Amino acid sequence: DAGVIQSPRHEVTEMGQEVTLRCKPISGHDYLFWYRQTMMRGLELLIYFNNNVPIDDSGMPEDRFSAKMPNASFSTLKIQPSEPRDSAVYFCASSWGSGASYNEQFFGPGTRLTVL
Amino acid sequence: GQNIDQPTEMTATEGAIVQINCTYQTSGFNGLFWYQQHAGEAPTFLSYNVLDGLEEKGRFSSFLSRSKGYSYLLLKELQMKDSASYLCAVRAGYGGATNKLIFGTGTLLAVQP
Repeated sequence: DAGVIQSPRHEVTEMGQEVTLRCKPISGHDYLFWYRQTMMRGLELLIYFNNNVPIDDSGMPEDRFSAKMPNASFSTLKIQPSEPRDSAVYFCASSWGSGASYNEQFFGPGTRLTVL
Repeated sequence: GQNIDQPTEMTATEGAIVQINCTYQTSGFNGLFWYQQHAGEAPTFLSYNVLDGLEEKGRFSSFLSRSKGYSYLLLKELQMKDSASYLCAVRAGYGGATNKLIFGTGTLLAVQP
């Protein structure tokens, strides 16, 4: 399996622009997670989906952030408008199974976002 | 609230043993994970504990005490390639209804020759 795929790997944009990050989970996995990692705050869960349905979006910072999962093999995280404080590495992860059992999350390589 | 504490940095010598501690206070508990993250890379899974006790996997072991809200990761026979950040993560919530991980900020381990 190719693992979790994210694109782009690097994104540099100017404040106010729209940014779209993409993720393809591992085939067969039914959970998909979006994380943000910064030096100050570490790895933070933004939102996660189960069977394409958003389950918990309490980590989404504000209305500028939105996430979709139109099918089992694709998800997007959109920031509109972007701000310099959004600069971070954004990871997508996927896993299989319910929360009652052991199920490791597999992380993609991340998208390094810089907002100027 | 949710709180996970780890030391920020540690230094150890090649061939030695190092213990990285993690304490947590979360709303519910459904397991504790340790991940390894090399600089500029994604986190990768190391271990999982849901019951009290020690889980051993090669050079790495992880311990859990649920009553104390405490875990540690033990790395033996340290190698230079073990220099990385080690993330403690708790799957919070009650019952089997959640798959949400709360991560600590990580412990940056430097292995010296």
